[in-house]
Amino acid sequence: EAQVTQNPRYLITVTGKKLTVTCSQNMNHEYMSWYRQDPGLGLRQIYYSMNVEVTDKGDVPEGYKVSRKEKRNFPLILESPSPNQTSLYFCASSSPGQGVEDTQYFGPGTRLTVL
Amino acid sequence: DQQVKQNSPSLSVQEGRISILNCDYTNSMFDYFLWYKKYPAEGPTFLISISSIKDKNEDGRFTVFLNKSAKHLSLHIVPSQPGDSAVYFCAARTSNSGYALNFGKGTSLLVTP
Repeated sequence: EAQVTQNPRYLITVTGKKLTVTCSQNMNHEYMSWYRQDPGLGLRQIYYSMNVEVTDKGDVPEGYKVSRKEKRNFPLILESPSPNQTSLYFCASSSPGQGVEDTQYFGPGTRLTVL
Repeated sequence: DQQVKQNSPSLSVQEGRISILNCDYTNSMFDYFLWYKKYPAEGPTFLISISSIKDKNEDGRFTVFLNKSAKHLSLHIVPSQPGDSAVYFCAARTSNSGYALNFGKGTSLLVTP
């Protein structure tokens, strides 16, 4: 089954404690992306990656890091989480250039609370 | 600055009637528009899309209309069903933007029996 998986699904942590949210896709997609969803703000892009070892900032990259060492994985790293990073996070992937199929497939989301 | 705007946070429609969700955009470089549907505790799922070279795309009960001169698109659901109750996000992108999607804030649709 084609899917994007994220782990953990729920996480409560404290300010300053480094954490990583993993994202993996099994569709051999080149493009992967991270979004955060906040009430009244919709989905905002944090970082994206066009392919292995190619990453770039989205609209709200501050406080986040990413890496793309393998095609299927795109972890999101919070080196020193702060309460304003409490949010719902989504990973997405797609394969650009496939026409109508060139849409992003989203993972189920990770609910992060930073105390 | 929000380039994709969904000005109605919520919409309530009776089952069997038409639901019309609206979306406006400001960036004239957008050339591809998508609608995503999101249920609670799930990720958004792709619903329907339209290229800027078209003004209408239909898929079953769902039709998207694009008015480029007005920078406006709308999603029509006919007939609406209770299972359509979800948050609908409008998104847009440009081909040369790394395929990044610009999302609206979403419209919560409630279809009542």
